[in-house]
Amino acid sequence: EIVMTQSPATLSLSPGERATLSCRASQSVSSNLAWYQQKPGQAPRLLIYGASTRATGIPARFSGSGSGTEFTLTISSLQSEDFAVYYCQQYNNWPPWTFGQGTKVEIK
Amino acid sequence: QVQMVESGGGVVQPGGSLRLSCAASGFTFSTFDMHWVRQAPGKGLEWVAFIRHDGKSQYYADSVKGRFSISRDNSENTLYLHMNTLRSDDTAVYHCTRDPAGTPVYGFDYWGQGTLVTVSS
Repeated sequence: EIVMTQSPATLSLSPGERATLSCRASQSVSSNLAWYQQKPGQAPRLLIYGASTRATGIPARFSGSGSGTEFTLTISSLQSEDFAVYYCQQYNNWPPWTFGQGTKVEIK
Repeated sequence: QVQMVESGGGVVQPGGSLRLSCAASGFTFSTFDMHWVRQAPGKGLEWVAFIRHDGKSQYYADSVKGRFSISRDNSENTLYLHMNTLRSDDTAVYHCTRDPAGTPVYGFDYWGQGTLVTVSS
């Protein structure tokens, strides 16, 4: 089973700042990595797939990079609606499909 | 628009059973693989089960293997999760989610809001 590890657990930033979230896989997942955003009481929303492709309707301030075992989600300038929990997920080696434990982006 | 609505959650005693349903609309259900993903209170996302678009293949997380069964009725556009021998650590919100594999999109692209299962005596 591929273990996904996200860091940091919590990121405290102000609106307008840049957010950089990391995700590491225990073995290579190529570019078969997705990022999700989840707000309290809501279902997760697909942001990025293929490590760097934005899903339909996702603003350009969200970008993904990386391949193999190291990945990054960057939010270029945080908006109020971006404060949420973010999860990475690998879909390269399955089953199981595995998620990271999440990074909470909170208002500083 | 794509929509998935889960139902069937509730409070059940340890060792009990429950069947969850996910009613899908706004897309050709029979052509998409589907999953169940759960989230325990205050915790992260955990993949639970997968079923191929034609129902001919299923996979399960080790934590539920032998106790849960995923199925679908493509004529009714409905996904199911049959849960037996429930334990307290099965307490979670259960989401159904669509897998667009085979299209240009990957990951889990649409999610239902979820249904809460509470296992407690």
